[in-house]
Amino acid sequence: AQSVAQPEDQVNVAEGNPLTVKCTYSVSGNPYLFWYVQYPNRGLQFLLKYITGDNLVKGSYGFEAEFNKSQTSFHLKKPSALVSDSALYFCAVRVPNSGNTPLVFGKGTRLSVIA
Amino acid sequence: EAGVTQSPTHLIKTRGQQATLRCSPISGHTSVYWYQQALGLGLQFLLWYDEGEERNRGNFPPRFSGRQFPNYSSELNVNALELEDSALYLCASSAGSWEKLFFGSGTQLSVL
Repeated sequence: AQSVAQPEDQVNVAEGNPLTVKCTYSVSGNPYLFWYVQYPNRGLQFLLKYITGDNLVKGSYGFEAEFNKSQTSFHLKKPSALVSDSALYFCAVRVPNSGNTPLVFGKGTRLSVIA
Repeated sequence: EAGVTQSPTHLIKTRGQQATLRCSPISGHTSVYWYQQALGLGLQFLLWYDEGEERNRGNFPPRFSGRQFPNYSSELNVNALELEDSALYLCASSAGSWEKLFFGSGTQLSVL
């Protein structure tokens, strides 16, 4: 079975400071990992993905994430937070070529950037 | 290009009634996915349709059902509504791959 954990329900950061939203995963095999963001009253939007290759993945809006196989983590980062980054962030995992297994999401982390 | 559209935006039902939620995928997308977003539970996988066929369903009772039409739009039906069915129901589509899903804004179902 595959699963993903987001250990923090809420992350608060001051505008201009770096931000990190944590994600750890559990799968059998090599994972595909994703980050999605949900703004108020909206659906989820794709931010970035790790499929293979470079462990540091760059995505939309200046976000990046680092795949760490030994720690089974895929933390989302941004060097300088903006108030407009305040939203709900979801990490997701899937094992490629796993047939009909769906994309499994974490419970989400609410990011609040304070001016 | 139009994104994934869901209707209605809000739906209020009473316990025991039936609800029908609709989803139109992005043009050219053949796969449709349904997720339930209940407070504090994150996104729970409901159903996956691809090319008109149900590929997988999540751990939900049989009163949750759906279908995909020849134009790839989809419908989610929830029978015998219960209070705990109150949630945001999200539909997503893709061009047959899990590598990038496009989500609609959801249908907020409230069961009174």
